Amino acid sequence: NAGVTQTPKFQVLKTGQSMTLQCAQDMNHEYMSWYRQDPGMGLRLIHYSVGAGITDQGEVPNGYNVSRSTTEDFPLRLLSAAPSQTSVYFCASSYVGGGYTFGSGTRLTVV
Amino acid sequence: RKEVEQDPGPFNVPEGATVAFNCTYSNSASQSFFWYRQDCRKEPKLLMSVYSSGNEDGRFTAQLNRASQYISLLIRDSKLSDSATYLCVVNGMDSSYKLIFGSGTRLLVRP
Repeated sequence: NAGVTQTPKFQVLKTGQSMTLQCAQDMNHEYMSWYRQDPGMGLRLIHYSVGAGITDQGEVPNGYNVSRSTTEDFPLRLLSAAPSQTSVYFCASSYVGGGYTFGSGTRLTVV
Repeated sequence: RKEVEQDPGPFNVPEGATVAFNCTYSNSASQSFFWYRQDCRKEPKLLMSVYSSGNEDGRFTAQLNRASQYISLLIRDSKLSDSATYLCVVNGMDSSYKLIFGSGTRLLVRP
């Protein structure tokens, strides 16, 4: 039972590069979301989706895009990486009213 | 006012102690409440849901006070392995899917 799988686990980017963080879940959850967590800080919601084809912005969406073409996958795209995007990124999923299951995170450094 | 507020701590307690955390929330219509545990540099993991009547899971007891809009977590007989950050989580104003995470309360259990 894989749960929520995030890849890659670690990534170093140069300023201006783009990349996609992958997130997949095998629990048939409707809801998926992306958070970032900076050192010593709480989780901040970037984008979320309540089902395939439906996405919306969280509190810190600038510089990130998402799409949800299937129930299982919810990739996060960094358009032009900046040092301020250095963070740990967590993907989470849930059914309605349920608690979230998190992936193990992607540690991103932008130099 | 933040939607979910927690005392950041740290709470520094000896092994075997009983420790309690409170968390207040602003949305009186919230229906879903959880406690998560997060170890350093790891993903948050669901510790327990919080039900209106209160609930217990081993050494952990969670309670909900709707009138005063707070939830609590009581840990009895603290273990060294309980050292972590505990996140209070409540569903957001505009969605039963979207959960709002507190910034966490840090617990240190010393020998």
